[in-house]
Amino acid sequence: ETGVTQTPRHLVMGMTNKKSLKCEQHLGHNAMYWYKQSAKKPLELMFVYSLEERVENNSVPSRFSPECPNSSHLFLHLHTLQPEDSALYLCASSQIRGGNQPQHFGDGTRLSIL
Amino acid sequence: TQLLEQSPQFLSIQEGENLTVYCNSSSVFSSLQWYRQEPGEGPVLLVTVVTGGEVKKLKRLTFQFGDARKDSSLHITAAQPGDTGLYLCAGAPGGNFNKFYFGSGTKLNVKP
Repeated sequence: ETGVTQTPRHLVMGMTNKKSLKCEQHLGHNAMYWYKQSAKKPLELMFVYSLEERVENNSVPSRFSPECPNSSHLFLHLHTLQPEDSALYLCASSQIRGGNQPQHFGDGTRLSIL
Repeated sequence: TQLLEQSPQFLSIQEGENLTVYCNSSSVFSSLQWYRQEPGEGPVLLVTVVTGGEVKKLKRLTFQFGDARKDSSLHITAAQPGDTGLYLCAGAPGGNFNKFYFGSGTKLNVKP
């Protein structure tokens, strides 16, 4: 139990579908992150939310749309994805306190685009 | 551009052997973290190092941060099958929030 819960764990969707990934943290943290993990590539930071405000968008295509309604919840809305978007999507949370705080990860959503 | 290079990418050893994993960069980091990730799970933090030259021990695992804060190593003594997993280093350039750059990982398999 990491304190960060991601749903669904697995998702298969067509390129024209719309779906959303959900992340919830129970650790009282004030920053949340989306990462993409593909085979043979480093974890790629996609988005960072600090105090519910987006502070980082790492050149992510607009077909990925994040939403952070409060400090405990983070969503990633997906629309018109491409086959190369198939990957493990990881959510993490941390405390913002002068930086260098550990990140706590969820177990990820394994996304497959048909 | 990959900021952090990890080596080796794959390592398969027998139980009881020692091993070292390296994490190198040309950039300076304010801190560096090591994570272990098992199949079907997210990465789990092992250690954070923040001072150049710092050495931290976690049972059979020894972590070192380079003097110039550009590189780090993880040494495992007498590896066990339970050490099997993907080891990731992550460096933070610094700032008010945690923006970490991850290495591509070292996949370790310890055979009984």
